[in-house]
Amino acid sequence: GENVEQHPSTLSVQEGDSAVIKCTYSDSASNYFPWYKQELGKRPQLIIDIRSNVGEKKDQRIAVTLNKTAKHFSLHITETQPEDSAVYFCAANNNDMRFGAGTRLTVKP
Amino acid sequence: DSGVTQTPKHLITATGQRVTLRCSPRSGDLSVYWYQQSLDQGLQFLIQYYNGEERAKGNILERFSAQQFPDLHSELNLSSLELGDSALYFCASSVRAFSYEQYFGPGTRLTVT
Repeated sequence: GENVEQHPSTLSVQEGDSAVIKCTYSDSASNYFPWYKQELGKRPQLIIDIRSNVGEKKDQRIAVTLNKTAKHFSLHITETQPEDSAVYFCAANNNDMRFGAGTRLTVKP
Repeated sequence: DSGVTQTPKHLITATGQRVTLRCSPRSGDLSVYWYQQSLDQGLQFLIQYYNGEERAKGNILERFSAQQFPDLHSELNLSSLELGDSALYFCASSVRAFSYEQYFGPGTRLTVT
């Protein structure tokens, strides 16, 4: 089955800096790659996703890139704000959704 | 609010007991997924139903079972509960199968004492 690795496990940045979270996956048939943000005690919320026929997708301060050959994808957050502080999960999915272990992002004011 | 509802919000029970968690998907969504999230852990996929039929199985224990009813709501049954089953259980729904956006419910926090 699919195996998703996510790095780093924790990330601390200053407000206004950029944050990058990276994930690798093992199943070359995976074709959908969502990213979720989870605040403490709350539900995971979909923030951006990308399909395997696209290399990059942007939504305001958030972007995701996908390298199918290398089987890795990344989340980029620019101009970080304290409210971006949360745990971020990547996932890869073919017929079975597998999540990375999560990255705890802290944005210091 | 994602439109996915889960009940109850919290559940406290003793080891060896059985509980049922309930999920109602967003209007129009045919797929329901169940996930387990233990303290400081990631999300573990348990099982998926699509339009009443089991579609995919993940790391679901034999003590756990689920079903999706004709009105598309789903129930997750957990039996012979152990301390290690204490976790947040999330339900998610999507329009179709896996390669579509999943929207999560607020979760049920299960505490086994």
